[in-house]
Amino acid sequence: SQTIHQWPATLVQPVGSPLSLECTVEGTSNPNLYWYRQAAGRGLQLLFYSVGIGQISSEVPQNLSASRPQDRQFILSSKKLLLSDSGFYLCAWSKRGSTGANVLTFGAGSRLTVL
Amino acid sequence: AQKVTQAQTEISVVEKEDVTLDCVYETRDTTYYLFWYKQPPSGELVFLIRRNSFDEQNEISGRYSWNFQKSTSSFNFTITASQVVDSAVYFCALILLSSGSARQLTFGSGTQLTVLP
Repeated sequence: SQTIHQWPATLVQPVGSPLSLECTVEGTSNPNLYWYRQAAGRGLQLLFYSVGIGQISSEVPQNLSASRPQDRQFILSSKKLLLSDSGFYLCAWSKRGSTGANVLTFGAGSRLTVL
Repeated sequence: AQKVTQAQTEISVVEKEDVTLDCVYETRDTTYYLFWYKQPPSGELVFLIRRNSFDEQNEISGRYSWNFQKSTSSFNFTITASQVVDSAVYFCALILLSSGSARQLTFGSGTQLTVLP
């Protein structure tokens, strides 16, 4: 069965420090990968989307970047965090090229607090 | 553009009561999928159901049931005999049938359900 791992679960970082959140998927190949942010107030915002190694689409301009160095690894990064980067970050995957391609499976999330 | 509205921001019920979570959507397309996801306090969103626009038959899964009405553009979710473990934020979502991924998935703002013992 497929599983998705996301870490760290909780992170407290000062403004201006770098960020790295990691997500890995097991039990599947060639997944579509996603990074979402959920700010206070619950809304889910798609940040990045990837269909393959090195292929990243940014959905909104921001202080963050994403990379996919391996097929099942998705990394969210920042060189210098802003206060507004605080939030709950969720990684997700979906199958590619099938009717299940739009069904998202989410990780447990990473809660980032920028002070 | 698509839009999903969950007008109920927060709902509070007492255990064993039935509760319905409303979802109203807007799209000009005639072929689409609708979803419900559950986000318990732990944070992970859990997929509950996907329904395509061709199938208006209501669905029941244990204490959960879904009422899809194309005429009113609604896809409501009912929990029968609610339990404390049902406490969570529930999201409704929409995507066009033609989408090859979840990239264009449109989420509602969520409804916080609290079930009191």
